Formats: sequence, structure tokens, C-alpha cells
Amino acid sequence: ETGVTQTPRHLVMGMTNKKSLKCEQHLGHNAMYWYKQSAKKPLELMFVYNFKEQTENNSVPSRFSPECPNSSHLFLHLHTLQPEDSALYLCASSPNVGRSGYTFGSGTRLTVV
Amino acid sequence: GESVGLHLPTLSVQEGDNSIINCAYSNSASDYFIWYKQESGKGPQFIIDIRSNMDKRQGQRVTVLLNKTVKHLSLQIAATQPGDSAVYFCAENVYSGAGSYQLTFGKGTKLSVIP
Repeated sequence: ETGVTQTPRHLVMGMTNKKSLKCEQHLGHNAMYWYKQSAKKPLELMFVYNFKEQTENNSVPSRFSPECPNSSHLFLHLHTLQPEDSALYLCASSPNVGRSGYTFGSGTRLTVV
Repeated sequence: GESVGLHLPTLSVQEGDNSIINCAYSNSASDYFIWYKQESGKGPQFIIDIRSNMDKRQGQRVTVLLNKTVKHLSLQIAATQPGDSAVYFCAENVYSGAGSYQLTFGKGTKLSVIP
């Protein structure tokens, strides 16, 4: 365990479903991130939260909706996804935004059917 | 836009040999670089980092070399072991404005160790 826990590990959902991904860290970090990892593409930053405030949204479609109720928890709400959204979604945290000390979770493998 | 990328997508190495994984970056303003290892079913794991005021840094069995002249980064793994089999990513810390930085990742190189 890295200290960043993601659930579920695997998720299959239909295009009309609504689901949520959860990330939890107890490392005392102030920044949390969502990344998307697709086959044959680099890791893509989706959202950044610093002290539970969103500081970055890298042009992510509105069908992805993040939520950060506190510095230890991060959610990614999913609705009306497309098959091309199938990917590994990784959560990470760091002591402060950017720079160093990123710790990643094991990810949620999402398949949209 | 500027990006970080990798020269080789796959690398096969005999157990016990040394491995060298390369990375090219194009953002000359980047001042911090990190190598990550990602094993199957896991998230990326920090291996070693280097700041731009250095050209070499050594860890346990790993060495990172930075050549700012040609914007090139490499990871050397000594005496490669089966447990080193994974995908290796370089990442570049990019200033994104207002005191914030972002990690930009390369595509990754898959290292396979032959027993």
C-alpha cells in the first residue's frame, strides 16, 4: 500500500450509468490529483485540488465531475460516459501542489460499454 | 505544445546486465525531473529525481543523468533483476503559473528482464 487508496479497483459501466470513483489518503498531504492513463498515451492530468480547492481543470469534459470534501478524500463522479473514456484512472497526492513527493494510488480500471 | 517523450517504447535486457532508459524533453524551463516505475496493476512509484542544477544523481542501483544541452534524461539500472520488469516513465515539473507546477509525463518504456 502506498498510502493512497482507490476504490473500486475495477468498474464496468454503461453509457447511461452514473458512478463515482473514490480516493483516500492519510499521508497528511494538501494536494490531490486525478490522472487518466490510456493505452499508448502519456498520463494526462485531469484535476488538481489544493487544500480541497480546485486549482486546475485541464479541459476535462463535464461528464467528469470531481469533488473534494476535505484534504483526505477525492471523488470523481462519472455520468453519460463514452467508450473512449475507458482507461485507468489514477489518484495521486503530494505535500503541496506540484514539485515533488507525489504518491499514486493503484488506480481504478474503468470500462465503458 | 512542449512535452516530455521517450525514445524507445520497449526494452529487453538480460538479467544481471545494466539497463538504460532514455527520455527527451523539450521545455528548457523545466528544473526538476522524476523517474517513475509502474508495475502491472499498480500506480506509478517514485524511483529517483534530479534538479536541473545537477547532471547526475545516484540511488540504490539506479542513476539518473541529465544533459541540459540536448534536453536528455536517462535512467540507468545496474544489475537488472526480474523485479525491475515494469513500465518506466520520466516526468517533467513544469511551471503552470501563479506559483503552481504540474507534472508532465512521458509515454513510458516497458522494460522486460530475461531470466
